[in-house]
Amino acid sequence: QVQLQESGPGLVKPSETLSLTCTVSGASISSYYWTWIRQPPGKGLEWIGYIYYTGSTNYNPSLKSRLTISVDTSNNHFSLKLSSVTAADTAVYYCARVQPVAAPRGAFDIWGQGTVVTVSS
Amino acid sequence: QPALTQPPSASGTPGQRVTISCSGSSSNIGSNYVYWYQQLPGTAPKLLIYRNNQRPSGVPDRFSGSKSGTSASLAISGLRSEDEADYYCAAWDDSLKVFGTGTKVTVL
Repeated sequence: QVQLQESGPGLVKPSETLSLTCTVSGASISSYYWTWIRQPPGKGLEWIGYIYYTGSTNYNPSLKSRLTISVDTSNNHFSLKLSSVTAADTAVYYCARVQPVAAPRGAFDIWGQGTVVTVSS
Repeated sequence: QPALTQPPSASGTPGQRVTISCSGSSSNIGSNYVYWYQQLPGTAPKLLIYRNNQRPSGVPDRFSGSKSGTSASLAISGLRSEDEADYYCAAWDDSLKVFGTGTKVTVL
């Protein structure tokens, strides 16, 4: 079955760049849209952005100036880079697949387990 | 950033029916599909309802979704202890996906 696994540093210093990778297994990354979502401690979900295997992206306007999402089809993974981070970027970061029905504006039907990222000096 | 409004909490005893509301606007719920996600404690969210009222394979038919105008609701019938979780509605607002504020369901 399709599985997603987030990876990356759990601690990032303020003003630096947060970098995460989501590795996809059980499916070709070239067949779907993929997305990132985050959840600050004790708070709700915030959509970050999505990418298609062609490299086409759509970002949350509130993060757009600091955000880059990229895809590596040869290694079947996609990545997130968020620059100039502050404590407000501390969150659990999830990657997910966009359900093919109505993609890219569809449901997020398969999620990774999430990875905790703390921004602190 | 727009958010969809949900009650912070809801509760019921085993076997009861619980309903969670989700209020939006014409630019999100009013013109797009609604999705519902269940987040069990300490786990990633799971898709519960898509396209207003469709259940993915494996989701019990105790869960049902509906939409009317700029509001939507999730109903859980025959409440069970394993339904204790946070529930989030979601919808697209132009090219931005917005989530609800979340509702914590407690099984008494």
